[in-house]
Amino acid sequence: EVLLTQSPGTLSLSPGDRATLSCRASQSISASVLAWYQQKPGQAPRLLIHGASNRATGIPDRFSGSGSGTDFTLTITKLEPDDFAVYYCQQSGGSPLYTFGQGTKLEIK
Amino acid sequence: EVQLVESGGGLVQPGGSLRLSCAASGFTFRLYEMSWVRQAPGKGLEWVAYIGTTTAHIYYADSVKGRFTISRDNAKNSLHLQMNSLSAEDTAIYYCAREDTTLGNYFDPWGQGTLVTVSP
Repeated sequence: EVLLTQSPGTLSLSPGDRATLSCRASQSISASVLAWYQQKPGQAPRLLIHGASNRATGIPDRFSGSGSGTDFTLTITKLEPDDFAVYYCQQSGGSPLYTFGQGTKLEIK
Repeated sequence: EVQLVESGGGLVQPGGSLRLSCAASGFTFRLYEMSWVRQAPGKGLEWVAYIGTTTAHIYYADSVKGRFTISRDNAKNSLHLQMNSLSAEDTAIYYCAREDTTLGNYFDPWGQGTLVTVSP
């Protein structure tokens, strides 16, 4: 089973700051199977990044993903008030078929 | 517009059963693999079950194997999750999600979710 560990658990930043969120896999995975989601309170998750670095349709270029092997990063530049939410990484393959990280809460400082 | 709408959630007693449905529209449902993902109150996301474009490929999380059954009706553009022997640990919002395999494997979009509460 591939476990995903996200850090930090909570990130306190101000609008205009740059956010760096980490997702570490317990074993090496293909970048193609790594995705990032944003979830706001009371809403379903929304796809941000797939294949580790490909922005989903309609996602602004302030959001970028990178990484390979076991270490992946979601970077959000010039934070806007609407960006404060919980972010999850997800990988596919193996057993179980999909696993999610525990999430990083991005909160306003 | 691509849309997924879940229904069937509610309050059920421990040991009881519930059947969730997900109505799909705005895309050719029969061409897409689908999953159910759940989220316990205040917790993270947990994948529950997957079904391929036909019923030839079905997978479950260990936590629900033997109790939950995923199915689909391509003629009616609908996805279902039959949940039996429910316990408090199954209390969660259940989302249906379409799998996309363009440059990766990921869920897009998700439905709005339906709440299942297991309580005496």
